[in-house]
Amino acid sequence: GAVVSQHPSWVICKSGTSVKIECRSLDFQATTMFWYRQFPKQSLMLMATSNEGSKATYEQGVEKDKFLINHASLTLSTLTVTSAHPEDSSFYICSARPSQTSGNTIYFGEGSWLTVV
Amino acid sequence: AQSVTQPDIHITVSEGASLELRCNYSYGATPYLFWYVQSPGQGLQLLLKYFSGDTLVQGIKGFEAEFKRSQSSFNLRKPSVHWSDAAEYFCAASTGGFKTIFGAGTRLFVKA
Repeated sequence: GAVVSQHPSWVICKSGTSVKIECRSLDFQATTMFWYRQFPKQSLMLMATSNEGSKATYEQGVEKDKFLINHASLTLSTLTVTSAHPEDSSFYICSARPSQTSGNTIYFGEGSWLTVV
Repeated sequence: AQSVTQPDIHITVSEGASLELRCNYSYGATPYLFWYVQSPGQGLQLLLKYFSGDTLVQGIKGFEAEFKRSQSSFNLRKPSVHWSDAAEYFCAASTGGFKTIFGAGTRLFVKA
């Protein structure tokens, strides 16, 4: 089946620094990718929709200048958490929708744990 | 507003007993419906999905779900639970825009 890979799986960074998380579709092209955040023992909350070659669409309440999303190719979207703070510590998950499909199946990555100290 | 509701925060079931996890959705039209499972610290695994057609959907690991339009529900069932089924289960829905909305999740505990 289709595989979505996230890197890194976990990262620890100092408060005030920036950290980048990659989301790659390994065996398919994805015009659209999605970024979610999941706090401990909570559900997944959609942060933004990443569109290849155009600006991401952010959900209400998500700071676009803090969570930079770049979808430079059909297989890669990146999420950069800028000036990270401890409250940004969370589980970040991406998903991707294959471009060559008429269905509505999307594939999720394994997630990336971010801890800001 | 579009929403997915999972009424049960957690459920405890004896191993070998049957399981039903509830899910209700609120959308303007029938969305695409999904059930995912998440083990602690792990990503999501798709159990099953409903797009159209037969309202009883078979998934992996012996799970099934039934779509009931009249009740706006998509409940997940398993006839006999195994200890390895203990995890967090998320019901989710999306429309043509492919944005997926997740329910709050139901934590399943399995007792011996």
